[in-house]
Amino acid sequence: DIVMTQSPDSLAVSLGERATINCKSSQNLLYSSNNKNYFAWYQQKPGQPPKLLMYWASTRESGVPDRFSGSGSGTDFTLTISSLQPEDVAVYYCQQYYSIPLTFGGGTKVEIK
Amino acid sequence: EVQLVESGGGLVQPGGSLRLSCAASGFTFTDMWMSWVRQAPGKGLEWVANIKQDGSERYYVDSVKGRFTISRDNAKNSLFLQMNSLRGEDTAVYYCARSQRNSEYHPFDSWGQGTLVTVSS
Repeated sequence: DIVMTQSPDSLAVSLGERATINCKSSQNLLYSSNNKNYFAWYQQKPGQPPKLLMYWASTRESGVPDRFSGSGSGTDFTLTISSLQPEDVAVYYCQQYYSIPLTFGGGTKVEIK
Repeated sequence: EVQLVESGGGLVQPGGSLRLSCAASGFTFTDMWMSWVRQAPGKGLEWVANIKQDGSERYYVDSVKGRFTISRDNAKNSLFLQMNSLRGEDTAVYYCARSQRNSEYHPFDSWGQGTLVTVSS
């Protein structure tokens, strides 16, 4: 099974400042035949289901603000919120969809400092 | 608008059974792989199982193999999870989730609100 490891577990960022979340995969998620990373980011607010933010590591889902960006390839990935807003307080999860079982990272809680 | 509505959760004793349902609408159900994903109280997300459009392929996380069965009724746009031999560690909110495209190797772009399963004596 592919293990997804997120860091940090939590972070507090001032409004308008940058937040950076990392995720490391135990196996390469880049599929050579199409040069795509089978990797996604989700946002989950309290009492709500997760919401897809990014897929293919760096493609923003429709409707997601452009302050969210994803980067990385292979085994190391990053989600960046360029200017933290109050509505971004949530837990963020990474996920690999390269192989079954599909697996998630443990989550990173983002709060306002 | 895509809608996924789960039902069937509740309190069940260890060793008991429960059947979850997910009613889908707003998209062509027969086009999509579907999954169940669970979240234990205060914990992270765990994919449980998925099923191909025609039900011919099904995959499970190791911890539920032999105990849970995923199925679908395409005529009724419904997804199911039959859970047998339930354990305390199965206690979680269970989400129905749709794969973004017509294969299992895609992220989940739509989720239901979830249904809570509590396994306790």
